[in-house]
Amino acid sequence: DAGVIQSPRHEVTEMGQEVTLRCKPISGHNSLFWYRQTMMRGLELLIYFNNNVPIDDSGMPEDRFSAKMPNASFSTLKIQPSEPRDSAVYFCASSPREEGEGTQYFGPGTRLLVL
Amino acid sequence: AQSVTQLDSHVSVSEGTPVLLRCNYSSSYSPSLFWYVQHPNKGLQLLLKYTSAATLVKGINGFEAEFKKSETSFHLTKPSAHMSDAAEYFCVVGSSASKIIFGSGTRLSIRP
Repeated sequence: DAGVIQSPRHEVTEMGQEVTLRCKPISGHNSLFWYRQTMMRGLELLIYFNNNVPIDDSGMPEDRFSAKMPNASFSTLKIQPSEPRDSAVYFCASSPREEGEGTQYFGPGTRLLVL
Repeated sequence: AQSVTQLDSHVSVSEGTPVLLRCNYSSSYSPSLFWYVQHPNKGLQLLLKYTSAATLVKGINGFEAEFKKSETSFHLTKPSAHMSDAAEYFCVVGSSASKIIFGSGTRLSIRP
């Protein structure tokens, strides 16, 4: 199995631009998580989906952030407009039903820099 | 409600000596507990998990952790550190009735 796939791996953009991060979870996994990691705030859960339905989005910073999961094999995290404080590494993780949501398989992350 | 506290933000040990990374948890339910490792510029990887079976859990790369309900602890240990163990380690608590909570992380450094 290829594992969780994230794209792009690196993104540099200017303030005010729209940024879209993509994630392909492991086939057969029913839960998907988006995290943000920074030195200052550590690892933060932004949102998670179960069977393609958003369950908890309380970690989404503000209306500039949105996430979708149109089908079981694809999810996006969009930031519009982006700001310098959004610079971070964004991780996607997926979890199989039979192992519970604590067992998560992480992607390699997208390193975002907003200038 | 549940929470998790990693008692050390940074631990430094010499290669070949034992490793101890401390984690305390709080949970109103029977918890599931996990340790994850993150090597530099990589995603997190599951090291081991406790889900109410044996209290001593063995994981990958020679790590193990012991669930102690009386002490509400789930410390991670390894008998002999290797240079490749240098990484960030996260303790995680969860239950069927509540969401997953990640600790703040412990950075492990290995001295040659």
